[in-house]
Amino acid sequence: IAGITQAPTSQILAAGRRMTLRCTQDMRHNAMYWYRQDLGLGLRLIHYSNTAGTTGKGEVPDGYSVSRANTDDFPLTLASAVPSQTSVYFCASSDRDRERPYSNQPQHFGDGTRLSIL
Amino acid sequence: GENVEQHPSTLSVQEGDSAVIKCTYSDSASNYFPWYKQELGKGPQLIIDIRSNVGEKKDQRIAVTLNKTAKHFSLHITETQPEDSAVYFCAARTPNAGKSTFGDGTTLTVKP
Repeated sequence: IAGITQAPTSQILAAGRRMTLRCTQDMRHNAMYWYRQDLGLGLRLIHYSNTAGTTGKGEVPDGYSVSRANTDDFPLTLASAVPSQTSVYFCASSDRDRERPYSNQPQHFGDGTRLSIL
Repeated sequence: GENVEQHPSTLSVQEGDSAVIKCTYSDSASNYFPWYKQELGKGPQLIIDIRSNVGEKKDQRIAVTLNKTAKHFSLHITETQPEDSAVYFCAARTPNAGKSTFGDGTTLTVKP
């Protein structure tokens, strides 16, 4: 079934450790996104990528980095994890309308990675 | 940047009743307004969306209305069922923007 795969599904991590959350999509979507979801705060954008080779900062980028070497993969790295990064992380992708290149399209989400930093 | 406010944060209705969730946005350039449903342990899934050239859109029991002048849009669910219980998010997106801004979510509970 086509969609977005996130790994791991959950992780407990010691503060100060480095962690990479993986995200892969098989829909050949141009754009990909990373969000964190905290209780009462909804979805907050961390980083995004409109196309392979480009990335941009969202609302809460500090402490996170991303790369987009190809269309399908968009890993999120925490260089040195801190307890405030305990959250549920969602990866998403969206396509580009080929007839209307700048038309907005809906986002498709993975099922999340539950990350606890101790 | 864009700011989206969503109300109410929680909503409880009796099965068969209607549910309405409202969102306001700040950027008049926003032109795409999707609604997502998130079930426990899952990622959000698109249930309906509307573009700024349309005032209303309906899909079976779900409808969305948009008032561009007032900068608000609403989700209407009729004949609610227990399986409609979930967290619902609205979002707003501006042209050529690389990102959407989400509301903080509404937890809908449909009581049998």
